[in-house]
Formats: sequence, structure tokens, C-alpha cells
Amino acid sequence: AQTVTQSQPEMSVQEAETVTLSCTYDTSESDYYLFWYKQPPSRQMILVIRQEAYKQQNATENRFSVNFQKAAKSFSLKISDSQLGDAAMYFCAYRSAFGGGSEKLVFGKGTKLTVNP
Amino acid sequence: KAGVTQTPRYLIKTRGQQVTLSCSPISGHRSVSWYQQTPGQGLQFLFEYFSETQRNKGNFPGRFSGRQFSNSRSEMNVSTLELGDSALYLCASSLEGARGNTIYFGEGSWLTVV
Repeated sequence: AQTVTQSQPEMSVQEAETVTLSCTYDTSESDYYLFWYKQPPSRQMILVIRQEAYKQQNATENRFSVNFQKAAKSFSLKISDSQLGDAAMYFCAYRSAFGGGSEKLVFGKGTKLTVNP
Repeated sequence: KAGVTQTPRYLIKTRGQQVTLSCSPISGHRSVSWYQQTPGQGLQFLFEYFSETQRNKGNFPGRFSGRQFSNSRSEMNVSTLELGDSALYLCASSLEGARGNTIYFGEGSWLTVV
């Protein structure tokens, strides 16, 4: 079974600075997807960024980028120019590309990000 | 278009009762999944439905069940409620068929068991 580990329960960053959230995962599969979801106080999970394992290029979405190291099974999220609205719980998630189309997500425990003005 | 809609948003039940939660996916989405979120266990996969068939199931007791209707709306039911069932229950939907398609979540149903 796949597992996802987020080793930083809490992180803080100053507004306008950069912060990196860590995520490692364990799988024996070669094809899969990785995601970072943001959960603000409203509790609705919002997709921040995703990465396909077979793509070597790191995904980027505006101020959000990832460092995907497939061999090391590492998938970190970098937030540049942090804004107050970035404060939230961030979850790393894994989804198999196999499994008959199943879209089951395996989540890490989350990292609570605080942005200080 | 409307997002994933979950009802009710908040509810309080007594131990031993049962509860039914509803989820309406985004129009056109035929895949619906359910997750339980608690402070201790985090986000755990409950089950997944596609075209009215359960496609995958998490490691939860048989008290947790679900179904999907022909219009893709889904319900989950928890019978004989226990205090430990207090949680945020999240529903997610996606458009089947596209590789790596985005999974959209609802705002969740907060269940408190007293």
C-alpha cells in the first residue's frame, strides 16, 4: 500500500518570502500522480498543483512550484512571494495511475502554514 | 457551474443512531468519492462510486455504506453511530476518462456524535 509522509506539522513564513513544504511517499508503482491540496478554514480542499510521475519537468502554477525527485520519492512544494491568503493546511496526496480507473487519493497528515504579516 | 454540493453541512447525532449524508457532484461528473477527516487519523478514503457501482472501498467497518444514483448523486450512511465517527466527511467528484483529471471537493458535512 502506498503511504504519504509530511514531516512538518507546522510551518511559518513572513509575507512576501518563500517557503518549502516537504512530502515523501512510498510506492512500488512506476506511474502515478502527486498533488498538493490546500485546505483553508472553510475546509474545502482546493487543488494547488499536480505532477505526473512520468513527466520529469517540475510542475509550476504561478507562485507555486514543486521539486519532484522520483528516485528519492520526494515531492516538495515551494510557495514564492507568500501572501496572507496562503495560510492554510496543505496536504500532499498520491494517486495511482493503475487500479482500473480508481481515483482514490492517499493523503499525508498535512502541514499547517502560517503567514506572518 | 455549480461545485460539489454536500448536505447537510452540520449535524449532531446521538450514539446508536444512524445518519445519511448526501453529495451532488459537478454536472457531468460520474465518479464520486468519500473521505473521512479527523484530527487523529487525518484524511481517510471511505469509498468510491462510478456509474452506480462501488469501484473501491477503504478500510472501514460495515457500518459505513454508500450508494450512487443514476444521476450520479451519492449518499453515504453510517449506522449505529459511535463517538469516534465524529468527523468532517468530504465528498469529491471527477470527470471520468481523462488521464490525471482533477478531483474536486465539496465543503464537507460536519458530523458530531454525542
